[in-house]
Amino acid sequence: TQLLEQSPQFLSIQEGENLTVYCNSSSVFSSLQWYRQEPGEGPVLLVTVVTGGEVKKLKRLTFQFGDARKDSSLHITAAQTGDTGLYLCAGGDQGGKLIFGQGTELSVKP
Amino acid sequence: DTAVSQTPKYLVTQMGNDKSIKCEQNLGHDTMYWYKQDSKKFLKIMFSYNNKELIINETVPNRFSPKSPDKAHLNLHINSLELGDSAVYFCASSQTSFSGSEAFFGQGTRLTVV
Repeated sequence: TQLLEQSPQFLSIQEGENLTVYCNSSSVFSSLQWYRQEPGEGPVLLVTVVTGGEVKKLKRLTFQFGDARKDSSLHITAAQTGDTGLYLCAGGDQGGKLIFGQGTELSVKP
Repeated sequence: DTAVSQTPKYLVTQMGNDKSIKCEQNLGHDTMYWYKQDSKKFLKIMFSYNNKELIINETVPNRFSPKSPDKAHLNLHINSLELGDSAVYFCASSQTSFSGSEAFFGQGTRLTVV
């Protein structure tokens, strides 16, 4: 069974700080996605990475897919209160299934 | 227009009852899904349909029965509800069944079994 370990599970920081969320597995994934979920809403896709070593930037967010396609990280620079939410990584397997990590609940305080 | 809409948003029911959740997508996507999110926010796939055909069926009790009358609709019927079925159920759709395809989620249905 493929599993994705996401860490940390909870993160509370001050506005302006930087943070990194990690997503690790012993399995290889064909793609890795990051979603953000706000209370009472469904997850919304932030990025998809498919190539080992790939780095994608979305404004203050930087996403990296590990060289071996087993892990990924999300780095947020100068966090803002609007970044507060649940961040989910999801690995795509060959069978077309998305395997989700446990999520990281981020709270950015003013 | 809401891309993926599911109803109802909240559902409170007694143990043993049968209930349905409806889902519709207006994105023209081929693939639709049901996910379950537990109290710890862990999201797990239950079913996936591609052009009305079941392609993923995870280890889910057979009290749960999905139905896709056409590729824009995927409903979930649950028989003999149990306390452990309490969770948020999300419908989603994607353009293709490729796992790297972006999934668009509905707002979720919070099911509470009492």
